[in-house]
Amino acid sequence: AQTVTQSQPEMSVQEAETVTLSCTYDTSESDYYLFWYKQPPSRQMILVIRQEAYKQQNATENRFSVNFQKAAKSFSLKISDSQLGDAAMYFCAYRNMNNAGNMLTFGGGTRLMVKP
Amino acid sequence: NAGVTQTPKFQVLKTGQSMTLQCAQDMNHNSMYWYRQDPGMGLRLIYYSASEGTTDKGEVPNGYNVSRLNKREFSLRLESAAPSQTSVYFCASSDPESSGNTIYFGEGSWLTVV
Repeated sequence: AQTVTQSQPEMSVQEAETVTLSCTYDTSESDYYLFWYKQPPSRQMILVIRQEAYKQQNATENRFSVNFQKAAKSFSLKISDSQLGDAAMYFCAYRNMNNAGNMLTFGGGTRLMVKP
Repeated sequence: NAGVTQTPKFQVLKTGQSMTLQCAQDMNHNSMYWYRQDPGMGLRLIYYSASEGTTDKGEVPNGYNVSRLNKREFSLRLESAAPSQTSVYFCASSDPESSGNTIYFGEGSWLTVV
């Protein structure tokens, strides 16, 4: 079974600074996707960024980028120019595309606090 | 755009009562999912339906049943609610053809069992 580990329960960053959230995963598959979801207090699950395992280039979405290290099974999220609205829970998730249902497996989450 | 719609948003149940959480998606997705999220934790898969007419157990299926009523709707039933089922429940859907391998979530249903 695949597992996803987020080793940082909480992180703090100063507004306008950069922060990196860590994620590691365990799989024997070669075809998969990785995601970062943001969950504000409303509990809505908001997709931040995704990465296809077959792509070497790291995904970027505006202030959000990832560092995908396939051999190390590491998938970290970098938030640049942090804003107060970035404060939320962040979940790393893995999706195996070779099994029926292709469900997501989530890490335990990292709570990000942004200091003004 | 409705996306994934869950009802009810909030529910308080007494131990032993039964209830059904309803979920509908309007994106013509084949796959649908039910997750639960306990305080301070990530989401865990309860059941999923890879396509209309099929359902399978996820990581934490005990105490739940599901029905894939048609392509749009996927319901989750608690037959005899227990305090351990107090959680936030999320329905989700996806389709490799149309959603680009992204899973879309509903807004969550907050369930408290007393």
